[in-house]
Amino acid sequence: DVKVTQSSRYLVKRTGEKVFLECVQDMDHENMFWYRQDPGLGLRLIYFSYDVKMKEKGDIPEGYSVSREKKERFSLILESASTNQTSMYLCASSSSPGTGARELFFGEGSRLTVL
Amino acid sequence: SQQGEEDPQALSIQEGENATMNCSYKTSINNLQWYRQNSGRGLVHLILIRSNEREKHSGRLRVTLDTSKKSSSLLITASRAADTASYFCATYNFNKFYFGSGTKLNVKP
Repeated sequence: DVKVTQSSRYLVKRTGEKVFLECVQDMDHENMFWYRQDPGLGLRLIYFSYDVKMKEKGDIPEGYSVSREKKERFSLILESASTNQTSMYLCASSSSPGTGARELFFGEGSRLTVL
Repeated sequence: SQQGEEDPQALSIQEGENATMNCSYKTSINNLQWYRQNSGRGLVHLILIRSNEREKHSGRLRVTLDTSKKSSSLLITASRAADTASYFCATYNFNKFYFGSGTKLNVKP
């Protein structure tokens, strides 16, 4: 069974802390994505990666960075957490065009609260 | 923004009734997909319709796509209480997926 695993379901951090959200997929997908989900705003794309060590900014990259050192792992980093980054973070992966279904497979989400 | 917009934002129906949700989007697309999200969980892919298709069925799901109006609809027939969830449309183009804010469906037993 295909799987996208996010390391933490719930996190509570303090303002100014550095936060790492980890995501691992076992489907050998080229593409990985980080979204944040807020009520009434839907899912907004933060960053995505189409290959190891490659990354592209999404719609709301400010305050975030990402790392993809291995194909299966995509990390989201909040260098200095702020209260407006309190949100649900969703990781997803997909295969590349022409190599299979272009649907997204999601993890269960990480709910981050910044105090 | 390329985001889709779902309508209505919320829908409450009785078990056995049909549920229809609509999605409008702004730019050209390669395909459009519908996803479901149970409360507090990740999204699960339901169905994909390509830009050259007009209608697609999968079990109790029926999706239509009108590229001239930049709109799509998702019909769930004979709804069940277990269909209670949020439903999102997502447009796919240039390797990116863009989501709307979703329709919250409540199916009362």
